[in-house]
Amino acid sequence: DSGVTQTPKHLITATGQRVTLRCSPRSGDLSVYWYQQSLDQGLQFLIQYYNGEERAKGNILERFSAQQFPDLHSELNLSSLELGDSALYFCASSVGGSGSLETQYFGPGTRLLVL
Amino acid sequence: GENVEQHPSTLSVQEGDSAVIKCTYSDSASNYFPWYKQELGKGPQLIIDIRSNVGEKKDQRIAVTLNKTAKHFSLHITETQPEDSAVYFCAAPNYGGSQGNLIFGKGTKLSVKP
Repeated sequence: DSGVTQTPKHLITATGQRVTLRCSPRSGDLSVYWYQQSLDQGLQFLIQYYNGEERAKGNILERFSAQQFPDLHSELNLSSLELGDSALYFCASSVGGSGSLETQYFGPGTRLLVL
Repeated sequence: GENVEQHPSTLSVQEGDSAVIKCTYSDSASNYFPWYKQELGKGPQLIIDIRSNVGEKKDQRIAVTLNKTAKHFSLHITETQPEDSAVYFCAAPNYGGSQGNLIFGKGTKLSVKP
């Protein structure tokens, strides 16, 4: 158990809908990262928040947005969902803000299926 | 930005044999290389990492080697056991972003046959 929690574990929805994925980092970690994992693209970095502020941005679609709240939990909002958005979404956390140089601890993921 | 290539994509070994997974990276400034293990239905878990000031690091049956000149690093698992069966990912820093993040290889599915 990494200490990172994600809810829900599974989500089934229809095209065009909007969903919210939630992540709570390990106690003491200030950074939260969001990744998308699909069969053909592997683990793709979406976005990082550090202590409430956006820190780094990856291949995140404009239909997707995220935020980190004062209690450091984070939410990833996916809107106007398409079939291709079906994937595993992972949240990771780390102590500091340098995601490229420190250990990232991954949560168990949310499996999203868009029908 | 950084590009990480990982080989092989699948690897099957007999229990007790060794397994080696190799990754290459493109950015000579990269200096941190973690390896993650992902079991079915779970998130990736860090198993070992290496920084560019050392050439090798060991942790029981797992070792990682780094060749900065050739820009590649490898994961070595000795005396493999069925519980080593999983997907393994290498990663390297991507300094193209504002603070950098990790770029992951495509993964290697390791199967250890009893």
